[in-house]
Amino acid sequence: EIVLTQSPATLSLSPGERATLSCRASQSVSSYLAWYQQKPGQAPRLLIYDASNRATGIPDRFSGSGSGTDFTLTISSLEPEDFAFYYCQQRSNWPPITFGQGTRLEIK
Amino acid sequence: QLQLQQWGAGLLKPSETLSLTCAMSGGSFSGYYWTWIRQSPGKGLEWIGEITRTGNTNYNPSLKSRVTISIYTSKNQFSLNLRSVTAADTAVYYCARGVGSTGRYWFDSWGQGTLVTVSS
Repeated sequence: EIVLTQSPATLSLSPGERATLSCRASQSVSSYLAWYQQKPGQAPRLLIYDASNRATGIPDRFSGSGSGTDFTLTISSLEPEDFAFYYCQQRSNWPPITFGQGTRLEIK
Repeated sequence: QLQLQQWGAGLLKPSETLSLTCAMSGGSFSGYYWTWIRQSPGKGLEWIGEITRTGNTNYNPSLKSRVTISIYTSKNQFSLNLRSVTAADTAVYYCARGVGSTGRYWFDSWGQGTLVTVSS
């Protein structure tokens, strides 16, 4: 089973700042990684697929990069609605499909 | 626009069977993986399993002995049965659509979630 480790667990930033979230895989997942945003009481929402492709309707301040075992989700300039939980997910070596444990992005 | 609407019992006793149903509208079953995922505070997001339009299933090895996912194409629905539940199965359960194949794969639509609590 591939383990996805996200860091940091919590990131405290102010609106307008740049956010950098990390996801590290226990073995290579090529470029097959997805990112999700989840707000309290809501289902996760797809942000990025194939490591760097934005999903439909996702603002261009969200970007993804990386391959192999190290991936990054960057939010270039934080908007108030961006403060939420973020998860990465892989299916390169399955079953099972696995998710990272999440990063909480909170307002400083 | 694809929509997933799910329902099922929210309170169970230990040893009972969890049953949830997800109705799909605005899309097609073909070419996708119809999936169940759960989320608990202790274990985060956990993939339970998936089914295709033709009925092919894949399950999480940790739950495989207790899980059955079924699909009802004429009703545009798929379902989850989890047998012999315990308190550890308490979680919010989501249905979702999986897109892609083998490695490249993501979930692009999700149901609203159902909180299932297991308590005596």
